[in-house]
Amino acid sequence: EVQLVESGGGLEQPGRSLRLSCTASGFSFGEYAMNWLRQVPGKGLEWVGLIRSNSYGGTTEYAAAVKGRFIMSRDDSKSIAYLQMNSLKTEDTAVYFCTRGREGHGSSPINYWGQGTLVTVSS
Amino acid sequence: QSALTQEASVSGTVGQKVTLSCSGNRNNIGSYAVGWYQQISHGAPKTVMLGDSLPSGIPDRFSASKSGTTASLTISGLQPEDEADYYCSTWDYSLSAQVFGGGTKLTVL
Repeated sequence: EVQLVESGGGLEQPGRSLRLSCTASGFSFGEYAMNWLRQVPGKGLEWVGLIRSNSYGGTTEYAAAVKGRFIMSRDDSKSIAYLQMNSLKTEDTAVYFCTRGREGHGSSPINYWGQGTLVTVSS
Repeated sequence: QSALTQEASVSGTVGQKVTLSCSGNRNNIGSYAVGWYQQISHGAPKTVMLGDSLPSGIPDRFSASKSGTTASLTISGLQPEDEADYYCSTWDYSLSAQVFGGGTKLTVL
């Protein structure tokens, strides 16, 4: 059974950093691109970015709202994807979801979702 | 402003057939498979359609289609438990991003 479990959320001040982890199980983690999405409570889903599989160079893509501040990485040996969030802004407050598609490039729709972790940015 | 356009709300009665739409352009829906996601009471979303494939465990009253740059999700035989927010998404090669619709709130009357 595919499982994605996010961790690392919490309360952080504007300008500070936070790192989220997504621990995967039930599939060959290294074969798939991993996406991060977020959702402000009461609002719609917003794509944050993705990290491709090593077959596609492990390259990353980011939404304009987080480019230059957020960094995605992965440790295939541990089946963990990371989202390093720097220079946090109050508008980064959201539930963050780790998700997986059907292939390593990241251009397929999302197949599996984690349960989400809440990040609150406030002074 | 979402890259994909969905109806804000749709309603139907139990047993009715309803269709939700998702409109994009040739850079996204016109070129890639579309995913449909169900979110009940702001819990974690669940994938109900991947392109025209039904994920395991999703009832076959859900179906999807695409024509040009518009995708559709049809629920035949609407059930009370289908009341939820539904989102569509696909890849956009000009943006190199997964793009989403703003979501449709489906109410079962």
